[in-house]
Amino acid sequence: LAKTTQPISMDSYEGQEVNITCSHNNIATNDYITWYQQFPSQGPRFIIQGYKTKVTNEVASLFIPADRKSSTLSLPRVSLSDTAVYYCLGYSGSARQLTFGSGTQLTVLP
Amino acid sequence: EAGVTQFPSHSVIEKGQTVTLRCDPISGHDNLYWYRRVMGKEIKFLLHFVKESKQDESGMPNNRFLAERTGGTYSTLKVQPAELEDSGVYFCASSPYLGQENNEQFFGPGTRLTVL
Repeated sequence: LAKTTQPISMDSYEGQEVNITCSHNNIATNDYITWYQQFPSQGPRFIIQGYKTKVTNEVASLFIPADRKSSTLSLPRVSLSDTAVYYCLGYSGSARQLTFGSGTQLTVLP
Repeated sequence: EAGVTQFPSHSVIEKGQTVTLRCDPISGHDNLYWYRRVMGKEIKFLLHFVKESKQDESGMPNNRFLAERTGGTYSTLKVQPAELEDSGVYFCASSPYLGQENNEQFFGPGTRLTVL
């Protein structure tokens, strides 16, 4: 999952569902797909992780198609406080360090 | 449970000076990571400790950077001498496990370093 591609920015309105798609064409068999969220002046925070099909937690859902070359983070009924940068990430190296891309700046409008 | 803490939150120094950043991981987390974001760039990995041992420092930019982790608890990252290009935000993260599955890394708020 070393190289991921996701939109640079997205706008949405309060109460809408937001879907952010990430492309990871070179995903390896043992790679997990992980999403983090970062607010201004804070460190990144784990949202959700998945390997295949669908994963849901109290914050978001993650949809992964059978070929696993992409994934979609779904945020239900966003609010202003969901304005943040969202990263689609993989782990790399023996240290399992996170490999950050540019992320997607989500702006939720009133 | 206390999260990852970093000190100071901001540091402004002049080129050539020395700065030491500190990270206190979540208690019991053996894995400690340092990352940084320099101006306009993506967050990049610097190094990784398991307890007190450096496991991977492949991301350290040069020998002006020295990281330590005393007794496997807190960690320090020293920059000596600091250069203008070292300005950025330095993040520390910790995790209890090493692996991909369920390996959530908990990040601190970061230290913003400005070198003038």
